[in-house]
Amino acid sequence: KAGVTQTPRYLIKTRGQQVTLSCSPISGHRSVSWYQQTPGQGLQFLFEYFSETQRNKGNFPGRFSGRQFSNSRSEMNVSTLELGDSALYLCASSLGGRSSYNEQFFGPGTRLTVL
Amino acid sequence: GEDVEQSLFLSVREGDSSVINCTYTDSSSTYLYWYKQEPGAGLQLLTYIFSNMDMKQDQRLTVLLNKKDKHLSLRIADTQTGDSAIYFCAESMGADKLIFGTGTRLQVFP
Repeated sequence: KAGVTQTPRYLIKTRGQQVTLSCSPISGHRSVSWYQQTPGQGLQFLFEYFSETQRNKGNFPGRFSGRQFSNSRSEMNVSTLELGDSALYLCASSLGGRSSYNEQFFGPGTRLTVL
Repeated sequence: GEDVEQSLFLSVREGDSSVINCTYTDSSSTYLYWYKQEPGAGLQLLTYIFSNMDMKQDQRLTVLLNKKDKHLSLRIADTQTGDSAIYFCAESMGADKLIFGTGTRLQVFP
């Protein structure tokens, strides 16, 4: 079974631009979560989508948005990029059931650098 | 509040045991997790513990949970150089929302 894939793996953008990152979950998984990892703030939860609906949201500004398609693939978008958005963006997928235990499988991440 | 703390570094000799500690703040967390991150890689789930358990053992890994003190630890027996990585504890805040600790960098020297 293929794991979680994220594209692109590396991205360089300039301030003010926007960016879209993609995540393909493990086949059969309906939940996709996004996390931002930076040296200063560590790993922070961005949002989670389940069946095309945002189910959980972290404390990030509105410049960060996401969506999920009917095949469970997810995209996240960051508009008006700032230097502080440089980070490793990780996506995780799970079956997404209502139990509080849902093993999340992480992708390798997209390394975004904002110049 | 959502705050999970870990010590930043741990250095151990190969063959010794490693103990990585974590304190969390939300007593309503149902599951607590340990993840491993190697350089340039995503996160790998090592083990988890349900909040009504005190201990869980999985091969070389032992997780201890003290709910009263909100303290979680991961013990790695017979630590190997391949165990060198960053280790994160995490608590679940709803089905698919994890709050991660600051991460502990484990360095294993021969």
